[in-house]
Amino acid sequence: NAGVTQTPKFQVLKTGQSMTLQCAQDMNHNSMYWYRQDPGMGLRLIYYSASEGTTDKGEVPNGYNVSRLNKREFSLRLESAAPSQTSVYFCASDARIRLARDSPLHFGNGTRLTVT
Amino acid sequence: AQKVTQAQTEISVVEKEDVTLDCVYETRDTTYYLFWYKQPPSGELVFLIRRNSFDEQNEISGRYSWNFQKSTSSFNFTITASQVVDSAVYFCALRRGSTLGRLYFGRGTQLTVWP
Repeated sequence: NAGVTQTPKFQVLKTGQSMTLQCAQDMNHNSMYWYRQDPGMGLRLIYYSASEGTTDKGEVPNGYNVSRLNKREFSLRLESAAPSQTSVYFCASDARIRLARDSPLHFGNGTRLTVT
Repeated sequence: AQKVTQAQTEISVVEKEDVTLDCVYETRDTTYYLFWYKQPPSGELVFLIRRNSFDEQNEISGRYSWNFQKSTSSFNFTITASQVVDSAVYFCALRRGSTLGRLYFGRGTQLTVWP
């Protein structure tokens, strides 16, 4: 019962380096999301994928690319990392709400990225 | 446009005090959903509650209660008899009328409960 799995948990990059954050869900959800969290800014949507084969920009897409590899996996790529991309990144997938106690999103545990 | 405002950036209370976290939202949708999440120091996001726009009934769950008022576009969260374990960042969020789709988050309120 893994839910949403993000890798890695921590990463340090140098400016200009590239990397891919991986996200996978095992709940057969159609929609997946990438958010970033910065102090005092809440969670801001970077990209989302409403269904397999589609991706759309969120509030803060600049400097990122995404790939919806299949229904399970949604990756986030930083082509040339910048210090402004230092953040905590959360992947999430959508749950169909059936009960009031259900969360609408299943979140991964986050990836803490530092760009020096 | 959708917007969620949590005007309180940080709140500090002493254990056993009651504390209310404010949330004001903006949307033109007639059907929408409101949420509260807790983020403890360990970093994960913990779902607390969902409220539909057509259900203004307040809710109580143990020491937690929520006051939803459409007239003032507010969805406030009260913790009664706060405890140290309540220390966390609390986020209010809004989802538009569909049962699927992105959440719009407020900036969060850092609650610190001192022993």
